[in-house]
Amino acid sequence: GAGVSQSPSNKVTEKGKDVELRCDPISGHTALYWYRQRLGQGLEFLIYFQGNSAPDKSGLPSDRFSAERTGESVSTLTIQRTQQEDSAVYLCASSLGKNQPQHFGDGTRLSIL
Amino acid sequence: GQNIDQPTEMTATEGAIVQINCTYQTSGFNGLFWYQQHAGEAPTFLSYNVLDGLEEKGRFSSFLSRSKGYSYLLLKELQMKDSASYLCAVPLSGGYNKLIFGAGTRLAVHP
Repeated sequence: GAGVSQSPSNKVTEKGKDVELRCDPISGHTALYWYRQRLGQGLEFLIYFQGNSAPDKSGLPSDRFSAERTGESVSTLTIQRTQQEDSAVYLCASSLGKNQPQHFGDGTRLSIL
Repeated sequence: GQNIDQPTEMTATEGAIVQINCTYQTSGFNGLFWYQQHAGEAPTFLSYNVLDGLEEKGRFSSFLSRSKGYSYLLLKELQMKDSASYLCAVPLSGGYNKLIFGAGTRLAVHP
């Protein structure tokens, strides 16, 4: 597709369950980012992948959060043992590289009951 | 540390001009981005400034002063569809592509 694709668009799950969120970046974009946006708040950086380099995980809030990316393609963000505080919109973005505009997907709205 | 400040909310009239300010504190500087985000939608890129001065792009312009740690987004000939949040973002120090975002300015355009 032409843009960043994320799935699912909405996810409702019970506290304590694991969830997996998917991001399909724009073809040719070497950089991929995950952000979290709580209601009424700004975007919070989570993790960044650049090509085959080791990912920058400095924004992950706890060890319940992890992410993987295979080469320059799809990425998955996994949240284990979800908590109500994890409820937010999770946004994925991709870019051509350093200081290039980031293009965002529509996000996954995660609700933890 | 790094910090970004923007007004929380602004209102303006259709057809008018509005200026949205952003002040930032960074230990290094690698440019400043503006994004637009409509409610329930993904942010979309508006502008990127790395040098001082005004960059004009149609109805939207963005200004940067590195010495003052200050930027603004200028929206002219406002339209109802410009009602959205406007996010200011700067790269985190040491990580050119890790952006720290301000909380955003919610702009309401009324007739």
